[in-house]
Amino acid sequence: GENVEQHPSTLSVQEGDSAVIKCTYSDSASNYFPWYKQELGKGPQLIIDIRSNVGEKKDQRIAVTLNKTAKHFSLHITETQPEDSAVYFCAPHGGATNKLIFGTGTLLAVQP
Amino acid sequence: DGGITQSPKYLFRKEGQNVTLSCEQNLNHDAMYWYRQDPGQGLRLIYYSQIVNDFQKGDIAEGYSVSREKKESFPLTVTSAQKNPTAFYLCASSKLPGQANTEAFFGQGTRLTVV
Repeated sequence: GENVEQHPSTLSVQEGDSAVIKCTYSDSASNYFPWYKQELGKGPQLIIDIRSNVGEKKDQRIAVTLNKTAKHFSLHITETQPEDSAVYFCAPHGGATNKLIFGTGTLLAVQP
Repeated sequence: DGGITQSPKYLFRKEGQNVTLSCEQNLNHDAMYWYRQDPGQGLRLIYYSQIVNDFQKGDIAEGYSVSREKKESFPLTVTSAQKNPTAFYLCASSKLPGQANTEAFFGQGTRLTVV
């Protein structure tokens, strides 16, 4: 089945610094690459996504880059703020399976 | 407002009891999912459904059961066979993979505690 890993599992940065989280997947047929943000006690929410015909997408302070050959995609957050502190999950899918599998999660802590 | 609703928000269960968690969506999504989240952990897939009257086991289906009698509803029953049911349960829905905009929408979760 699909194997999805995220690195790092925890990330602590100073306010204003950049943060990068990487997601590695195994299903080469995946064609949709989203990132979700989960705040404490809530369900995850989509923050940015990219499809396999695009290599990079940016939305204000967040961006996603995709390397389909190497089967990984990354979340980039610039000028981090304390409200960016949360758990972030990737969920690549659209491939051979209809299962929606999430990555292992990354806890981001932005220190004021 | 369109969305996905889980109830109750908090649920307490005595050992040996079955309990059912509700999940309803009015987004006209075909796919629905149930996940379990333990403290500091990721989302583990319990069951998923792509169409009414059909569902598949996820990675940790033992001790759980589901039904999909209506497109809008996907209730999860935690049975007495689930040895460690205390966790945060999340329900999600989406369009089918392969369609446009397959973003997953989540409910607010149900926190189940065995007492």
